[in-house]
Amino acid sequence: SQTIHQWPATLVQPVGSPLSLECTVEGTSNPNLYWYRQAAGRGLQLLFYSVGIGQISSEVPQNLSASRPQDRQFILSSKKLLLSDSGFYLCAWKRLDTIYFGEGSWLTVV
Amino acid sequence: EDQVTQSPEALRLQEGESSSLNCSYTVSGLRGLFWYRQDPGKGPEFLFTLYSAGEEKEKERLKATLTKKESFLHITAPKPEDSATYLCAVQAHNQGGKLIFGQGTELSVKP
Repeated sequence: SQTIHQWPATLVQPVGSPLSLECTVEGTSNPNLYWYRQAAGRGLQLLFYSVGIGQISSEVPQNLSASRPQDRQFILSSKKLLLSDSGFYLCAWKRLDTIYFGEGSWLTVV
Repeated sequence: EDQVTQSPEALRLQEGESSSLNCSYTVSGLRGLFWYRQDPGKGPEFLFTLYSAGEEKEKERLKATLTKKESFLHITAPKPEDSATYLCAVQAHNQGGKLIFGQGTELSVKP
């Protein structure tokens, strides 16, 4: 069966520090992968999606970037965090028409 | 612009009190409408996909329906364990599978 792993689960980072969130999917090959952010208002905002290695589409201009160095690995990064980057970050993958989410990473920028 | 609006924002029910959650949408070419359940601090859990007007899906106490402009999630005789935030999302054709989410309805079921 397919599973998705996302880490770290929680982190507290100072303003201006770098960020790296990692996501891996098991049990499938060449999945579409997604990074979403969920702020306090509960809505999920799509940040990036990837249809293959090295292929990244950005949905919202911001302080973040994404990379897909391997088929089942998706990384969300920032060189310098802002307070506004705080939130709940969710990695997801698509099987047929359905998108499945990981457990999420809570980021607090202080 | 593709858009999803959910109502109400919050809903408090007594155990056994049936009700419905609404999801109104505008999308250029609907590929599918999705319902998710999200517990506090967790990632959304997939519930249903609906593809065409008139379609219905059921799972335990939940039933999702779809029209050309909205979807309803009916909850029959809810239990406290049904308390969660319910998210609706739409997927358009030729958009790489991207989902556009509503803000969610926070459901609380009291015993």
